Amino acid sequence: SAVISQKPSRDICQRGTSLTIQCQVDSQVTMMFWYRQQPGQSLTLIATANQGSEATYESGFVIDKFPISRPNLTFSTLTVSNMSPEDSSIYLCSVEGGAGFYEQYFGPGTRLTVT
Amino acid sequence: DAKTTQPPSMDCAEGRAANLPCNHSTISGNEYVYWYRQIHSQGPQYIIHGLKNNETNEMASLIITEDRKSSTLILPHATLRDTAVYYCIVRVPGGATNKLIFGTGTLLAVQP
Repeated sequence: SAVISQKPSRDICQRGTSLTIQCQVDSQVTMMFWYRQQPGQSLTLIATANQGSEATYESGFVIDKFPISRPNLTFSTLTVSNMSPEDSSIYLCSVEGGAGFYEQYFGPGTRLTVT
Repeated sequence: DAKTTQPPSMDCAEGRAANLPCNHSTISGNEYVYWYRQIHSQGPQYIIHGLKNNETNEMASLIITEDRKSSTLILPHATLRDTAVYYCIVRVPGGATNKLIFGTGTLLAVQP
């Protein structure tokens, strides 16, 4: 299984500022995924990031608000830009893995609070 | 939108089997049934997946009906640490659209 770490684990930010979340994987992976989990809600996919190409965003998410970088096969960043209190959520990255890539593994998440 | 329907919550006594149902009546022939769980304040954890045959691993068993329109995740001997939100997801593994779409899940509360 893949081991995923995220930094920071939590942060409290002021509205109007930006935060960049890092996701590091202990093995090379093709696809990485970023999710958002708002308080008391299920997970919502933000975007899929493949190394060497532009991220693919889901409906309701745009690159200007959530720019993503994928510089290599073990690392990705998600930036939450111009934050508002509505951006307070847990942000999680995940990767596919396992034999035949049937499984997805998730990082521990970054808990963001915007004041 | 999620393609599965699950009860919002269930209780189970510690040591007893927990049977979590899931309806996926619109599942297509190449879609697998996956189960994940999310323990409070942690990232989701993969449990098991299957296509049409019943599957068992060290964590759970997955029973899929013959018409594949529903399935049941079985935790044979639930413990307090199994208290979590359980998500049933249908998807096609691999490929350009390999992504998980989470529904609302079932909150399983294991009681002492």
